[in-house]
Amino acid sequence: QVQLKESGPGLVQPSQTLSLTCTVSGFSLTSYHVHWVRQPPGKGLEWMGVMWSDGDTSYNSALKSRLSISRDTSKSQVFLKMSSLQTEDTATYYCARDHWVYYGLLDYWGQGVMVTVSS
Amino acid sequence: DIQMTQSPASLSASLGETVTIECLASEDIYSNLAWYQQKPGKSPQLLIYDASSLQDGVPSRFSGSESGTQYSLEINSLQSEDAATYFCQQHHDYPYTFGAGTKLELK
Repeated sequence: QVQLKESGPGLVQPSQTLSLTCTVSGFSLTSYHVHWVRQPPGKGLEWMGVMWSDGDTSYNSALKSRLSISRDTSKSQVFLKMSSLQTEDTATYYCARDHWVYYGLLDYWGQGVMVTVSS
Repeated sequence: DIQMTQSPASLSASLGETVTIECLASEDIYSNLAWYQQKPGKSPQLLIYDASSLQDGVPSRFSGSESGTQYSLEINSLQSEDAATYFCQQHHDYPYTFGAGTKLELK
């Protein structure tokens, strides 16, 4: 069955770079797009960016200067790197699979990984 | 960016009642609207896509509709398991944006 699982450090110091991994199973990264979405504690959802199935990427312009998404198809993994972290980047980070017909529609989500930015 | 104005921010209803949650898009999103349900400590789950299509496995008491740039989620015959936060999302254009959420409490 389709599964996505995020992993990464729970605590990052301010100004440092966040590195997260999304490991997927039950589908191929060369057939489906994978998005990153984050949610600050008690707040709403923010779309961050997407790894398209062809290897291209798109980013939220609000984060573009700090964000990089890449992948290793042989390991079924999508990576997120975000630099210059600040306390407002404290959030649960999710990866989610794109619906195969409707771009941007997120039909399967990982459990999320909570990241706290603090010294 | 397309703004999604969601209302109400919270509501309280009794078992068996019907509730409606709305999202107003700042421009035409051509029915590219989804609704998600999120329970505490869990990831969002897709309920409705294409404004009114029910995702597989979602109970038929959930329904979606649209009128111009106004989109609605209706939940009929409220069950205890419907207590959650509901988000709308437009996936018409970058950046994909979400409504602020509606927290539904059961009395």
